[in-house]
Amino acid sequence: EPEVTQTPSHQVTQMGQEVILRCVPISNHLYFYWYRQILGQKVEFLVSFYNNEISEKSEIFDDQFSVERPDGSNFTLKIRSTKLEDSAMYFCASSEFAGRMDSPLHFGNGTRLTVT
Amino acid sequence: DQQVKQNSPSLSVQEGRISILNCDYTNSMFDYFLWYKKYPAEGPTFLISISSIKDKNEDGRFTVFLNKSAKHLSLHIVPSQPGDSAVYFCAASALSGQNFVFGPGTRLSVLP
Repeated sequence: EPEVTQTPSHQVTQMGQEVILRCVPISNHLYFYWYRQILGQKVEFLVSFYNNEISEKSEIFDDQFSVERPDGSNFTLKIRSTKLEDSAMYFCASSEFAGRMDSPLHFGNGTRLTVT
Repeated sequence: DQQVKQNSPSLSVQEGRISILNCDYTNSMFDYFLWYKKYPAEGPTFLISISSIKDKNEDGRFTVFLNKSAKHLSLHIVPSQPGDSAVYFCAASALSGQNFVFGPGTRLSVLP
């Protein structure tokens, strides 16, 4: 079964540094998402992306965050200047359609970001 | 503002018995609901979904019930197996939107 893959599985960075988290969504999917889960807290929506544009974003997704689909397969999340509170598991997800019963989100295994 | 609530952070059930996981929501615009299962060090895995035009959806051992007037849904697992031990997330969306709102999760432990 096709999978969403994320790299790296664990990223350690110093506060103030830029990080890029990478995702390869399922190939025939058109909608892409980033979610995050701070340790012990709930899974939070960050952003959705369709047709090379951001469709929706949450309050968390401020100017420090950006997303890009640089080619036909990768979907990236960039954090320009990391803060300690950015430490979390970041999940990429994709779906073939949006808001359809037969098109749930498929998640990758996540990237654990640790900001020191 | 918790739009999706899972008030039980944990649940323990004996193998072979029924597991019932509950979820409540506050946003009346939600009309599409999903359950995800999550093992440690893995991403959430889709289990089952239901739309607001139905009150029940069944897939093997998993059944989701929706009570729209009470803004409540539940996931039943029968019979429960040790491999079902995981964190279960309820998620909701308005069909017109793309943003799924997740509940905080319930950790299910199925005891052999």
